[in-house]
Amino acid sequence: GAVVSQHPSWVICKSGTSVKIECRSLDFQATTMFWYRQFPKQSLMLMATSNEGSKATYEQGVEKDKFLINHASLTLSTLTVTSAHPEDSSFYICSPHRGGLAKNIQYFGAGTRLSVL
Amino acid sequence: AQSVSQHNHHVILSEAASLELGCNYSYGGTVNLFWYVQYPGQHLQLLLKYFSGDPLVKGIKGFEAEFIKSKFSFNLRKPSVQWSDTAEYFCAGMDTGRRALTFGSGTRLQVQP
Repeated sequence: GAVVSQHPSWVICKSGTSVKIECRSLDFQATTMFWYRQFPKQSLMLMATSNEGSKATYEQGVEKDKFLINHASLTLSTLTVTSAHPEDSSFYICSPHRGGLAKNIQYFGAGTRLSVL
Repeated sequence: AQSVSQHNHHVILSEAASLELGCNYSYGGTVNLFWYVQYPGQHLQLLLKYFSGDPLVKGIKGFEAEFIKSKFSFNLRKPSVQWSDTAEYFCAGMDTGRRALTFGSGTRLQVQP
């Protein structure tokens, strides 16, 4: 399977600070990146979709100014949680999409657990 | 609207028992369905997938799932569970246009030795 690297795996921050999460596809080019969020004891919910070189598309209820997504290259996408608050504490997971013959196969990063104090 | 539902939220089994986890979907058009497993502290792993063809799909670790179009179901089965199968299981459907996944609420499986 494809290799996806997501960092950091766990971050604790103070309320009001910003946190950047990186997601890299190490052995393929990701034309599309999905970012999911998983609250405790809940399922994964899609937050946003980004295509390389374009602005991200956010799902309803997700604040685009709070969750900044950058997909500047085919192997790297970042999610920045700006002015984090305790309610943003969650598990964030990236999922790069490789397209082509494997267009319906999803790969996932190991996730980032964000705890906002 | 596309949706995926899992009705079993928490299942407790003894080792060697048979497993069936329910998954129902509501999709229009082409259906791509998946089962993922999430072991404690680990990332999602793909167990199996259905795109088309044989409705009985075999995956890793002895799991299988059957796509029944008339029932809008894609239940996950394993004839004999092991303690190591203790994990969270997610059914998911893919929007073939956007390629994003819609996940079910998950089923926590606890296998007792």
